[in-house]
Amino acid sequence: AQSVAQPEDQVNVAEGNPLTVKCTYSVSGNPYLFWYVQYPNRGLQFLLKYITGDNLVKGSYGFEAEFNKSQTSFHLKKPSALVSDSALYFCAVRSTFTGGGNKLTFGTGTQLKVEL
Amino acid sequence: EAGVAQSPRYKIIEKRQSVAFWCNPISGHATLYWYQQILGQGPKLLIQFQNNGVVDDSQLPKDRFSAERLKGVDSTLKIQPAKLEDSAVYLCASSLVEFPGRQETQYFGPGTRLLVL
Repeated sequence: AQSVAQPEDQVNVAEGNPLTVKCTYSVSGNPYLFWYVQYPNRGLQFLLKYITGDNLVKGSYGFEAEFNKSQTSFHLKKPSALVSDSALYFCAVRSTFTGGGNKLTFGTGTQLKVEL
Repeated sequence: EAGVAQSPRYKIIEKRQSVAFWCNPISGHATLYWYQQILGQGPKLLIQFQNNGVVDDSQLPKDRFSAERLKGVDSTLKIQPAKLEDSAVYLCASSLVEFPGRQETQYFGPGTRLLVL
């Protein structure tokens, strides 16, 4: 079975400071990894994904994530946080092993709060 | 490009009543997903369609939930009868056709927030 852990329910950061939202995963075979963001009363918006290749993935709105296979992690980062980045962030994983289907498994989410 | 459309946005019903949700995916997207997102949790896949065929419905409570995608475009998700624990946001997502070994990005609609009293 595949799973995702987002160990922090909430992350607080001052505007202009770097931010990190943590994600670790468990999956059979190699992973496909995703980050989505959810604003209040909105659906999930795609930020970025790791499929293969370069471990550092760049996505929308200045976000990036680093895939670390040995630590089974895919932490989301941004060099300089904005107040408008405040939202709920979800990490998701699925296996590249096709026999396991292509179901995405989501973490429980991390609330990011960026303060002035 | 228009996104995934869902309606209604909000619904309040009493337990044991029935309810239906509608989803229109992004044009050209053959794969459609319904997720249930309970407050404080991540989305959980209920059912996945590829065109008008079901790919995965292993987590759909089939005694009360049903879904269809008759013409391979729009989809409806029905709950009958509803229980208190069905209160959640129901998200629809779509993607290009999935092939083995290939992962397409899923794009989500705004969701339908259901409250069962």
